[in-house]
Amino acid sequence: EDKVVQSPLSLVVHEGDTVTLNCSYEVTNFRSLLWYKQEKKAPTFLFMLTSSGIEKKSGRLSSILDKKELFSILNITATQTGDSAIYLCAVVGTYKYIFGTGTRLKVLA
Amino acid sequence: DGGITQSPKYLFRKEGQNVTLSCEQNLNHDAMYWYRQDPGQGLRLIYYSQIVNDFQKGDIAEGYSVSREKKESFPLTVTSAQKNPTAFYLCASSIGLGAEKLFFGSGTQLSVL
Repeated sequence: EDKVVQSPLSLVVHEGDTVTLNCSYEVTNFRSLLWYKQEKKAPTFLFMLTSSGIEKKSGRLSSILDKKELFSILNITATQTGDSAIYLCAVVGTYKYIFGTGTRLKVLA
Repeated sequence: DGGITQSPKYLFRKEGQNVTLSCEQNLNHDAMYWYRQDPGQGLRLIYYSQIVNDFQKGDIAEGYSVSREKKESFPLTVTSAQKNPTAFYLCASSIGLGAEKLFFGSGTQLSVL
């Protein structure tokens, strides 16, 4: 059975801290891995990863994929209160997207 | 602006009642999806549709029904057979089935009276 596991489930940090969110997977016919940020309602797209070892960056956020060990990490440096959200990892298999449970991040001022 | 519109934002269902959640997209996407989100359980796939007049059950389709009569529209009906309907429902679309990224609507929170 396909599965995606995210850790930790929740995390509380202070502004300025660096956080690392984890996503491991076992999915048949892996095609890509996606990261989303869900602040209020609609998840917003962050990154799509298809190849191992190539880091994607956007400002203070970065992500990398390891297809051999079947995991991805999402790093957020110099966290801000606006980073508080649920971060979702999804893996695209043969025809569908399999989501993890998400990591709830809270950044305290 | 292109996007996905879900309505209503909040919906209350009485015992034994069917309710329909609306999802409309103007992104010209072929594939559309319905997900259910419960606290601590991530997103679970209810139904998906690859093209007009075709749809498939996802992982938790029991108690739900859909239709895809137009490319832009993919309404979800929560029937009285769904005994635990309280959840946040998200509609999504993609260019093709499993193709690149999903685009999401803003969701509908369904509660039982």
